[in-house]
Amino acid sequence: ILNVEQSPQSLHVQEGDSTNFTCSFPSSNFYALHWYRWETAKSPEALFVMTLNGDEKKKGRISATLNTKEGYSYLYIKGSQPEDSATYLCAFNTNSGGSNYKLTFGKGTLLTVNP
Amino acid sequence: GAVVSQHPSRVICKSGTSVKIECRSLDFQATTMFWYRQFPKQSLMLMATSNEGSKATYEQGVEKDKFLINHASLTLSTLTVTSAHPEDSSFYICSASDSGYSNQPQHFGDGTRLSIL
Repeated sequence: ILNVEQSPQSLHVQEGDSTNFTCSFPSSNFYALHWYRWETAKSPEALFVMTLNGDEKKKGRISATLNTKEGYSYLYIKGSQPEDSATYLCAFNTNSGGSNYKLTFGKGTLLTVNP
Repeated sequence: GAVVSQHPSRVICKSGTSVKIECRSLDFQATTMFWYRQFPKQSLMLMATSNEGSKATYEQGVEKDKFLINHASLTLSTLTVTSAHPEDSSFYICSASDSGYSNQPQHFGDGTRLSIL
């Protein structure tokens, strides 16, 4: 059984604060690490797919880093805004064989940004 | 782009009823579709993976006769919960990929909240 751990489970920040959270995953047999943002009553939205050790990706005020050797990824949000409030999911890719893949998800980090 | 529509969003029905959930890719061809289930305070758990025109691959512990998956076209997959019981009450969500490769994201529907009385 593969475990993907996300921490913290939830956090509250003030508008304008920068924040970060962690995703830990098995360091062996790594294929890809996905980050999704899931706002209430909406569908999960893909943020990043990271495949290379040392990878760093950025989308506006959100960025992510990847360390496959030690099995963790950080998601950073700079200058948090109320619209950033959502659950942030990470998912570890395990290749079940062939060209299909399946994702093992963490429980997510619930971010609330107070105005 | 990459919009996935899932219907219905909410179902409340009696025990013993069969419930069908549809998942459609609106603006791309979904080579592979995935069905997940999420219980309260738990992570999304993959139930099965389906490819157009072939039988779905079920995860360990998921009964294929209970959860029937049909992926008849490149834009539509259905999940039928047969003879649903209260323990099947959960949040079901589909996703789709236009490539099936690990370096591409999955595109999710909005999910279906299933409540069996």
